[in-house]
Amino acid sequence: DQQVKQNSPSLSVQEGRISILNCDYTNSMFDYFLWYKKYPAEGPTFLISISSIKDKNEDGRFTVFLNKSAKHLSLHIVPSQPGDSAVYFCAASSYNNNDMRFGAGTRLTVKP
Amino acid sequence: DTGVSQDPRHKITKRGQNVTFRCDPISEHNRLYWYRQTLGQGPEFLTYFQNEAQLEKSRLLSDRFSAERPKGSFSTLEIQRTEQGDSAMYLCASSFSRDEQYFGPGTRLTVT
Repeated sequence: DQQVKQNSPSLSVQEGRISILNCDYTNSMFDYFLWYKKYPAEGPTFLISISSIKDKNEDGRFTVFLNKSAKHLSLHIVPSQPGDSAVYFCAASSYNNNDMRFGAGTRLTVKP
Repeated sequence: DTGVSQDPRHKITKRGQNVTFRCDPISEHNRLYWYRQTLGQGPEFLTYFQNEAQLEKSRLLSDRFSAERPKGSFSTLEIQRTEQGDSAMYLCASSFSRDEQYFGPGTRLTVT
């Protein structure tokens, strides 16, 4: 059962523009959401997170938005840079469970 | 601290052989996780340790899989009688809380 879905396998944007990566979830018990970035031959690296008590969290060029009623979150990268090119995973966890569920990932390509 | 390390980085084995992977977490982290990732998918949870206690196991972890974390430090994941379907990237992660997990580079297993 895929409780976390990233429906866009790839996204291509121009350097300097905004990148918007989307994620949907089905389990209403999820209360903590994270974005990870993965380069080839490396493990995922934590990028930014948001608790379900918030609807926005910002860290430099990265902002995560959470819409609990729609069970949707998004990651905005502004401005996008070529070094942001990677696979981005959305992940979610619930307070009563120790496993973290990941989406299938979105490959972001930022063109110079 | 150098982060989470995993050994070996690559393993090629013949079907039916046993393999063992090692994970060294970040030293102050008491939580340790194992995940499996196949091509085009996000990491899938396998098992979770808090200190030396294995507190949760996914149904993905068949009887051929066993994990240990003696003394609450490093962890090993053993796969007995490997099958071609076991070919995947095996990721280890550690954390101090249930939220942000730090991943190692992974061990890529190929079963021929």
